[in-house]
Amino acid sequence: EIVLTQSPGTLSLSPGERATLSCRASQSVSSNYLAWYQQKPGQAPRLLIYVASSRATGIPDRFSGSGSGTDFTLTISRLEPEDFAVYYCQQSGSSPPTFGQGTKVEIK
Amino acid sequence: EVQLVQSGTEVKQPGESLKISCKASGYSFTSYWIAWVRQMPGKGLEWIGTIFPGDSDTKYSPSLQGQVTISADKSINTAYLQWSSLKASDTAIYFCVRHFSGYSISWFPHWGQGSLVSVSS
Repeated sequence: EIVLTQSPGTLSLSPGERATLSCRASQSVSSNYLAWYQQKPGQAPRLLIYVASSRATGIPDRFSGSGSGTDFTLTISRLEPEDFAVYYCQQSGSSPPTFGQGTKVEIK
Repeated sequence: EVQLVQSGTEVKQPGESLKISCKASGYSFTSYWIAWVRQMPGKGLEWIGTIFPGDSDTKYSPSLQGQVTISADKSINTAYLQWSSLKASDTAIYFCVRHFSGYSISWFPHWGQGSLVSVSS
């Protein structure tokens, strides 16, 4: 199975700053089927990005995804107060689908 | 609007059986795979398995196969996750999720609210 490694584990930033989150796969993700989710405490995850760079319905354009093969990035251009949360990547290029361990974006 | 409404919190003892549910609405239940995702306390997300309610084709995570059973009742648009003998390590929040498309592997745009299962003696 494909192992996804996210870095950093925690990102301490201030509102208005740019956040760059990394997701590295142990082998190439077929068709770049890499998704990103946001999870806030006590809530279900929310899909942000799919197929590496396509924004899900209703997701603000400050969220963007990039990358291909084994290296993927989620960028939040300017952090809003509601963006402080945990972010997970997930691959669905091969079975079983797997998730990264998460990156926590916290207020500095 | 796609909605997945899950059953509530369960508190069980080790060795007991359990079946939790996920009722779907707002789309054709038999046309999309529904999966279950586990989140152990303070941990990340883990895919358990998925079912296609149209024909009950089911796929499981290799690490969890045999530990749980996924089923669906298309007459009432409901998917299930069940255990025959719970362990303390089954304590987690369980989410049902609908696939983006009709393929058996996908990303997950639709999530249930989660069902907390607590297993303790």
